Amino acid sequence: GQSLEQPSEVTAVEGAIVQINCTYQTSGFYGLSWYQQHDGGAPTFLSYNALDGLEETGRFSSFLSRSDSYGYLLLQELQMKDSASYFCAVRDNYGQNFVFGPGTRLSVLP
Amino acid sequence: KAGVTQTPRYLIKTRGQQVTLSCSPISGHRSVSWYQQTPGQGLQFLFEYFSETQRNKGNFPGRFSGRQFSNSRSEMNVSTLELGDSALYLCASSPSSGRGNEQFFGPGTRLTVL
Repeated sequence: GQSLEQPSEVTAVEGAIVQINCTYQTSGFYGLSWYQQHDGGAPTFLSYNALDGLEETGRFSSFLSRSDSYGYLLLQELQMKDSASYFCAVRDNYGQNFVFGPGTRLSVLP
Repeated sequence: KAGVTQTPRYLIKTRGQQVTLSCSPISGHRSVSWYQQTPGQGLQFLFEYFSETQRNKGNFPGRFSGRQFSNSRSEMNVSTLELGDSALYLCASSPSSGRGNEQFFGPGTRLTVL
């Protein structure tokens, strides 16, 4: 089957850097995505890695290592508004089912 | 461009009833996926429709079904509701199906089964 693992909670202070890890076990891997969800809101897309390496989008970066079945989301210059849940997600079974990780709740403290 | 819309936003039903939820994707998007979100199980994939055809299906019982219309609008139906069906049902659209396409989520329908 397929499974993704993420830390359940991460806490950091404003201005800091935080890394949220994701390990996955899937078949027919088709890339790793990251989504952010604020309480009471809908998930919003942050980034997607199909190939190994780092993708940077403003304060957020995402990394993928397919050989290690591992990726991470890096958030820099943390702001209070970054407090949210972050989900990694994969398409597997050769682009079929879309599977989300359990989510990491990030709390940014002043 | 208008975002993904879902109706109704909130719904209360009793066990044994059935429910139909509606989703209107972003204009031009042909793929619509449905998810169930609960505190215990997280975000779980229900099914995906593309050009009126169900492309993929998650591991849910046959009580959960859906369809997509020619204008890409989609509905999902849950029959014989159970208490465990209480959840936030999210719809997401994307321009095409498969691979890692970015998905745009609607605000969800909060279903409570009493």
